[in-house]
Amino acid sequence: ILNVEQSPQSLHVQEGDSTNFTCSFPSSNFYALHWYRWETAKSPEALFVMTLNGDEKKKGRISATLNTKEGYSYLYIKGSQPEDSATYLCASRDSSGNTPLVFGKGTRLSVIA
Amino acid sequence: NAGVMQNPRHLVRRRGQEARLRCSPMKGHSHVYWYRQLPEEGLKFMVYLQKENIIDESGMPKERFSAEFPKEGPSILRIQQVVRGDSAAYFCASSPNIGETQYFGPGTRLLVL
Repeated sequence: ILNVEQSPQSLHVQEGDSTNFTCSFPSSNFYALHWYRWETAKSPEALFVMTLNGDEKKKGRISATLNTKEGYSYLYIKGSQPEDSATYLCASRDSSGNTPLVFGKGTRLSVIA
Repeated sequence: NAGVMQNPRHLVRRRGQEARLRCSPMKGHSHVYWYRQLPEEGLKFMVYLQKENIIDESGMPKERFSAEFPKEGPSILRIQQVVRGDSAAYFCASSPNIGETQYFGPGTRLLVL
């Protein structure tokens, strides 16, 4: 069974600080890694999809990297703002058949003004 | 292009009643996924369906829960004889193909009294 782990579980940072968190997944049979942002009382929104080892994606102040050989991805937020406060989910899929995405439990980020 | 639609947004049921949750995927998406978010927990995969077929129901309780995605109309998640422990937010997502980015609906918040 594919197991996706995220750390830390929660994080509090000051406005303006940069931060990062980790998603770990099995490196064998890797197919794709997804990052989602989930604001309270809303639904998860897709941020990035990454498939290749060494991939780096960027959207504004948020970027992500992927290491498929060791099975981890980092999400970075530069100059955190209060509106970045959300739960950040990663999800992985392996290449074995009709398997849907498996989500981690998320990292809950709170940015304090 | 309308996003994923879910209704109702809020549903209150008494113990023993039936709950019926509906999900209309994005236009052009034939893959539907149901997730449950229990209080203070992350997203838990329940079931993955394509039109008229259940592909993976490994996350769905064997009793009282069922799902369908008919040829015409929305996907339905049905919970029979609800119990208090069924109180949760139920999210539906859709994608054009397996493993691709999933687009989430706003969720249905079920409260069992």
